Amino acid sequence: GAVVSQHPSWVICKSGTSVKIECRSLDFQATTMFWYRQFPKQSLMLMATSNEGSKATYEQGVEKDKFLINHASLTLSTLTVTSAHPEDSSFYICSAREMETSPRGVYEQFFGPGTRLTVL
Amino acid sequence: GENVEQHPSTLSVQEGDSAVIKCTYSDSASNYFPWYKQELGKRPQLIIDIRSNVGEKKDQRIAVTLNKTAKHFSLHITETQPEDSAVYFCAASSFRDYKLSFGAGTTVTVRA
Repeated sequence: GAVVSQHPSWVICKSGTSVKIECRSLDFQATTMFWYRQFPKQSLMLMATSNEGSKATYEQGVEKDKFLINHASLTLSTLTVTSAHPEDSSFYICSAREMETSPRGVYEQFFGPGTRLTVL
Repeated sequence: GENVEQHPSTLSVQEGDSAVIKCTYSDSASNYFPWYKQELGKRPQLIIDIRSNVGEKKDQRIAVTLNKTAKHFSLHITETQPEDSAVYFCAASSFRDYKLSFGAGTTVTVRA
């Protein structure tokens, strides 16, 4: 149980285009989803937190107009990188946290497999 | 916000020896401390976690200790094997917002 998927697993796009990444919790309802970015040989940096039905909360230094997050349902969150540039090339990883009523508890985050974005 | 520091950044051990990674955190409200193993190009994999009401937790060859007073926690891997080679991250979060703050990571290499 507690499986999170991401699509696509990798994407190559031209500079100036937009890219949408989907994050789905397959077998549980996620009250909260998190989006991280990881550059090569670096740690995971939290970009934003999204709760179903409400606006995402962005971390300091993350442009909300560039990284659009939509959490339309308890099982789906999307990250759209708008007007992508080469410096946006990175590994994007989502995670999901279960609802408070889950017997597994609410602390653990379940990670998606990540999306490798390359902007040419 | 929370600041998590992790040491060492690289660790090379002989197969069968133990490996220890240490982390410190700054926010006294943090009460959940997971450890992740990440292989190249893959998702972080939770290997063990500990909550603030526990001082130590063990799972086979892996153990974690927590000192809330000093705000530090450590990962211990005993009888290391080549498949333990990976990057390990510590993290901390609180029930306030459940956000995970990650350490910088430790690249562990187990020499056969």
